[in-house]
Amino acid sequence: AQKITQTQPGMFVQEKEAVTLDCTYDTSDPSYGLFWYKQPSSGEMIFLIYQGSYDQQNATEGRYSLNFQKARKSANLVISASQLGDSAMYFCAMGPTGGFKTIFGAGTRLFVKA
Amino acid sequence: NAGVTQTPKFQVLKTGQSMTLQCAQDMNHNSMYWYRQDPGMGLRLIYYSASEGTTDKGEVPNGYNVSRLNKREFSLRLESAAPSQTSVYFCASSEAKAYQETQYFGPGTRLLVL
Repeated sequence: AQKITQTQPGMFVQEKEAVTLDCTYDTSDPSYGLFWYKQPSSGEMIFLIYQGSYDQQNATEGRYSLNFQKARKSANLVISASQLGDSAMYFCAMGPTGGFKTIFGAGTRLFVKA
Repeated sequence: NAGVTQTPKFQVLKTGQSMTLQCAQDMNHNSMYWYRQDPGMGLRLIYYSASEGTTDKGEVPNGYNVSRLNKREFSLRLESAAPSQTSVYFCASSEAKAYQETQYFGPGTRLLVL
C-alpha cells in the first residue's frame, strides 16, 4: 500500500536559519514523483517543488531543496534562510509517474520566529 | 488567467440537502481532481477525471458524484449531505510536464453540514 508519513506535527525555526521538514514514503510503483506543497493560513495550496524517482540530482527551487534518498525512501524539504512568510502548513505528496492518484501526508506546521 | 476557480467559497447545509460544488480551470489542463481536507489530515482524493469524458473513483468516493462537463469544468455533487461530509473541498487540475503531474489547486470550498 502507498503511504506518506510526516512525523513532525509542528516545527519552530528562527528567522534566517535553515529548516528541514521530514517526509518518508512507501510505494510499489516503479516510477513515481514526490511533491511538496505549502498551505498558508489563507488556505490555498501552493506547489513548491517536485522530484522524480529517477532524477539523479536533488531538486531545487530558489530557497527550497528536496533531499531525496531513494534507498531510505525519504524526501525531506529543506528551506534555507527562513522568512516570516514561510510560516504555514507543509504537505508532502507522492504519485505514480503519469498517474493520477496522488496521496498526501498529514502535514507539518512550520512556525518562523522573528 | 484565473487558474482554478471554485464556487461557492463557503456553504452551510442541513443533513439530507443536496448541492453541487463547481470548479473551472483556464489552463487548458486535461486532468482534474476533487479532494477533501479534514482537520489534522492531508488531502484525500474523492474523484478524478484524467481527461474530458472520463471520471474515476479516488480514495473516498462514497456519498459523492462528479461530472466532467467539458475540458474546463468539473463539478462535485453531494446528493444527500451528512455531517461527516463537513470539510474543506479542493479542486485541482494538472497537465503532465516531462512526466511531472504537478497539480494546481483552487482556493477551496468550506462546507458545513448541520
